[in-house]
Amino acid sequence: GESVGLHLPTLSVQEGDNSIINCAYSNSASDYFIWYKQESGKGPQFIIDIRSNMDKRQGQRVTVLLNKTVKHLSLQIAATQPGDSAVYFCAFETENSSASKIIFGSGTRLSIRP
Amino acid sequence: EPEVTQTPSHQVTQMGQEVILRCVPISNHLYFYWYRQILGQKVEFLVSFYNNEISEKSEIFDDQFSVERPDGSNFTLKIRSTKLEDSAMYFCASRPGTWPYEQYFGPGTRLTVT
Repeated sequence: GESVGLHLPTLSVQEGDNSIINCAYSNSASDYFIWYKQESGKGPQFIIDIRSNMDKRQGQRVTVLLNKTVKHLSLQIAATQPGDSAVYFCAFETENSSASKIIFGSGTRLSIRP
Repeated sequence: EPEVTQTPSHQVTQMGQEVILRCVPISNHLYFYWYRQILGQKVEFLVSFYNNEISEKSEIFDDQFSVERPDGSNFTLKIRSTKLEDSAMYFCASRPGTWPYEQYFGPGTRLTVT
């Protein structure tokens, strides 16, 4: 079935270092991938997305890399800050219907060491 | 910036009771969704709604669940007879009808069934 998995449930990084969160997916038909950030007590917040015709996309301090050959997605956060502490979900969108839906991975908790 | 709002933030109910979770999507959005997140687990799709009808529903969304858009602004999720396992965070999301197709999530309603 459809699934998105993550390599590590937790990641601890030093403030100021770069963070890399990895994700594997199994649905080769998806062409739209998204990273969400979820802070405690809040809903998922869109960070960055990428379509399958791209292998890299950059935002402000974040970069998403897509390797379709090995079905791997990663999120890189540059110069990690305390405000980056959250659970990060990779996700992909399916379009079985006109409305589509998002399939979430199980999340990686990022914690920042001062 | 427009945002999705949800009420109540926390709902406690007894097993077997009916609950209605309310959402106000972003005003010009056309697609509406409910997701849920059991504590410590990933976010799961429940149902999508477009053009006043359900577009797709997951196997979680059984006959005890229903959705409605009673007026031009509200979007509700009703659980007819709650079970202990319905305890979760319920997130509403909406997205526009044109690109970008980003789904915007509300802050969630924590449902506790006792």
